[in-house]
Amino acid sequence: KNEVEQSPQNLTAQEGEFITINCSYSVGISALHWLQQHPGGGIVSLFMLSSGKKKHGRLIATINIQEKHSSLHITASHPRDSAVYICAVSGGYQKVTFGTGTKLQVIP
Amino acid sequence: DVKVTQSSRYLVKRTGEKVFLECVQDMDHENMFWYRQDPGLGLRLIYFSYDVKMKEKGDIPEGYSVSREKKERFSLILESASTNQTSMYLCASSWDSYSNQPQHFGDGTRLSIL
Repeated sequence: KNEVEQSPQNLTAQEGEFITINCSYSVGISALHWLQQHPGGGIVSLFMLSSGKKKHGRLIATINIQEKHSSLHITASHPRDSAVYICAVSGGYQKVTFGTGTKLQVIP
Repeated sequence: DVKVTQSSRYLVKRTGEKVFLECVQDMDHENMFWYRQDPGLGLRLIYFSYDVKMKEKGDIPEGYSVSREKKERFSLILESASTNQTSMYLCASSWDSYSNQPQHFGDGTRLSIL
């Protein structure tokens, strides 16, 4: 079993829909990261959180430490949000474990 | 903004060749990383470096070596390329050794070994 599990693996949405991507982890962590990877490869850090909730524009990330679960929400989705979203957890010295990603396609 | 630059976006090499992938960061970060990314497996750490001339093995170091002669540059070397090393390679850098700072990634090098 992977230490970081994401769901769904693939997601297709209509423009304007509210989107949720889930991440569950099985190890102790000091922080959880949400990353975005556009076609072509480059990865951008969206959020780093260790408790509660963070918001940036139309993106919201939440984490429940007790349940070892995090969600990434996108409100009013747009085709430019189409990307792979990766959950990663960090804990200890240089130890970062990545999920396999959720591929999101937003259709106009 | 942090800039992590990988020398090539696409690279095609032949089995048995020695392959160099170069990465440069411009923010004086102590830590640099090399990952490979394969479908269904996520990012896996090959090697990382926490200082000039210092390196540590990651989860999948076999068949690879690294070099860090200057703080801003971290090179990944495939000593004798094989077809199972066809992959996307991503370089990253960060301030903190304890993984509580975001890593900054390059755009990746898609390497094909024929």
